[in-house]
Amino acid sequence: AQSVTQLDSQVPVFEEAPVELRCNYSSSVSVYLFWYVQYPNQGLQLLLKYLSGSTLVESINGFEAEFNKSQTSFHLRKPSVHISDTAEYFCAVSDRVGGYNKLIFGAGTRLAVHP
Amino acid sequence: GAGVSQSPSNKVTEKGKDVELRCDPISGHTALYWYRQSLGQGLEFLIYFQGNSAPDKSGLPSDRFSAERTGGSVSTLTIQRTQQEDSAVYLCASAPGPGLAGSYEQYFGPGTRLTVT
Repeated sequence: AQSVTQLDSQVPVFEEAPVELRCNYSSSVSVYLFWYVQYPNQGLQLLLKYLSGSTLVESINGFEAEFNKSQTSFHLRKPSVHISDTAEYFCAVSDRVGGYNKLIFGAGTRLAVHP
Repeated sequence: GAGVSQSPSNKVTEKGKDVELRCDPISGHTALYWYRQSLGQGLEFLIYFQGNSAPDKSGLPSDRFSAERTGGSVSTLTIQRTQQEDSAVYLCASAPGPGLAGSYEQYFGPGTRLTVT
């Protein structure tokens, strides 16, 4: 069975500092990979996804993630965070077998950006 | 356009009662998913609908849980004889059907927070 490990449950960081949220997955088949963000008291929003092609994917608000097949990782990075990035971030995987997108989520990483 | 909506937003019920949670997907989305978000278990897949059929019910935790979808649109998740461990946020997501553009992007509703006392 597939699984997703987010290595850090909480990441405190100061504003304008860089951040990396780590995600590793286990799968014996090709996968699609996602990062979702949940702002306080809001629903889940898709931040970025890897389906195929370039292993580096970017979001519109400055986050990027790199798919590393050999290390089975999909770490999320941002070179300079803002207070407004404070949220919980979930890494998710779905397999390519079955024709639909059943998401398996990691436990989440709470990013707290301090002034 | 309208996103995924869920109702009620909050539900408090007594142990042993039945509850129904509703999901209205984005118009035209034939794929619909239910997930559960709880403190102890994180985010878990419950069930997947394609149209009115549910080819994957593997995440339903017990036979007290059931779901249906009618008209390829609205879905209802029913929990019978609720238990305290059912307390969680129940999330619904919809997506275009398999093979369609964007089919791997799920749009989530705001969730229903269920509290069983």
